[in-house]
Amino acid sequence: AQSVTQLDSQVPVFEEAPVELRCNYSSSVSVYLFWYVQYPNQGLQLLLKYLSGSTLVKGINGFEAEFNKSQTSFHLRKPSVHISDTAEYFCAVSTNAGGTSYGKLTFGQGTILTVHP
Amino acid sequence: DGGITQSPKYLFRKEGQNVTLSCEQNLNHDAMYWYRQDPGQGLRLIYYSQIVNDFQKGDIAEGYSVSREKKESFPLTVTSAQKNPTAFYLCASSIFGQGNGYTFGSGTRLTVV
Repeated sequence: AQSVTQLDSQVPVFEEAPVELRCNYSSSVSVYLFWYVQYPNQGLQLLLKYLSGSTLVKGINGFEAEFNKSQTSFHLRKPSVHISDTAEYFCAVSTNAGGTSYGKLTFGQGTILTVHP
Repeated sequence: DGGITQSPKYLFRKEGQNVTLSCEQNLNHDAMYWYRQDPGQGLRLIYYSQIVNDFQKGDIAEGYSVSREKKESFPLTVTSAQKNPTAFYLCASSIFGQGNGYTFGSGTRLTVV
């Protein structure tokens, strides 16, 4: 079974500053990794995903994440945040090892990013 | 455009009443999921279905029921046995057997008074 830990429940930051939201995972098999964003009273929207290939993944809204297999991490970064980036961010992992759990996501607890003017 | 539709957006019910939340998708996805979201608790899986006429309990299935009679539809019933039903409910779908993640609906906020 896999698990996901988002290391910060809340991250406050000023507008135009860089931000990193941290995510670590645990799995005994190869994984796929995802970041989702949720604005208030809305569903989750996919920001980016790592399936294979380049470990640096670029997503929507200027976000990127880097898969680090040795550290089992998939941290989300943005060099300069905007007020509109204020939202909750979820890291998720799925196994690609086959079987009935193939593709089933396990989510982290979420990180609330608050961007201050 | 393809997507997932959850209805209604807001739902109010009296304690002791059953209530059914709708989830419809036109993405031709095989798998569908129901999550409950409470502040500070992330997403908790209630039920999921990987194929029509089959579904499995998630981590917090007590007090909930589902059906999957059509590929497009996966309604969730919150029964009177659910002790604390007030929450935000999210439906999602995916292509079974692929690692492309989920597509989510916009959610239903249920308030039981």
